[in-house]
Amino acid sequence: QITLKESGPTLVKPTQTLTLTCTFSGFSLRTSEVGVGWIRQPPGKALEWLAFIYWDDDKRYSPSLKNRLTITKDTSKNQVVLTMTNMDPVDTATYYCALRGVEMTVARAFDIWGQGTMVTVSS
Amino acid sequence: DIQMTQSPSSLSASVGDRVTFTCRTSQSISTYLNWYQQKPGKAPKLLIYAASTLQSGVPSRFNGGGSGTDFTLTIGSLQPEDFATYYCQQSYSTPLTFGGGTKVEIK
Repeated sequence: QITLKESGPTLVKPTQTLTLTCTFSGFSLRTSEVGVGWIRQPPGKALEWLAFIYWDDDKRYSPSLKNRLTITKDTSKNQVVLTMTNMDPVDTATYYCALRGVEMTVARAFDIWGQGTMVTVSS
Repeated sequence: DIQMTQSPSSLSASVGDRVTFTCRTSQSISTYLNWYQQKPGKAPKLLIYAASTLQSGVPSRFNGGGSGTDFTLTIGSLQPEDFATYYCQQSYSTPLTFGGGTKVEIK
């Protein structure tokens, strides 16, 4: 069974750096064509893609947030980490990590999602 | 960036109704279009990928279609568990983008 779970602080202050960890099981990020992405959703709003990391360590970022984001993986720990610098109240959202599994190599959809973690940015 | 426009933003329907909503993209994306269902307080769930392929375990009353810039999601006979918000997402190019969602509410 494949699972992903996000963890990190629930509250951060403006200008601080957010570090979120996605811990997964049931698949390996050493497997060709597998990737993990981060998506966020402000309260009552739509989904917004943030970043993606491939099995071969290739990375993609949202251009609007590229200067603030870093995505890394630790295959030995089965984790993907997202850091976002200079947090602002507008970054308040539920943050999800999601798997693009081998079956989604062509379609490139996110087939398994974590439960999400709510992050509030406030002083 | 590829812009995604979903319509309507919300609709009211009854159990048993057939409902269709649309997703339009700002440029052609072939069939790199995915649909997700999200219930309140829950993570999105993949329903359809590659515009028309049903994800494993998804009921056959869900049907996706379209290519290029215009796509549809049809629910053949609305069930109580289908009341949710539906998002389209293009996977043609990065940045990946999502539509604004269509919320299906009970009439």
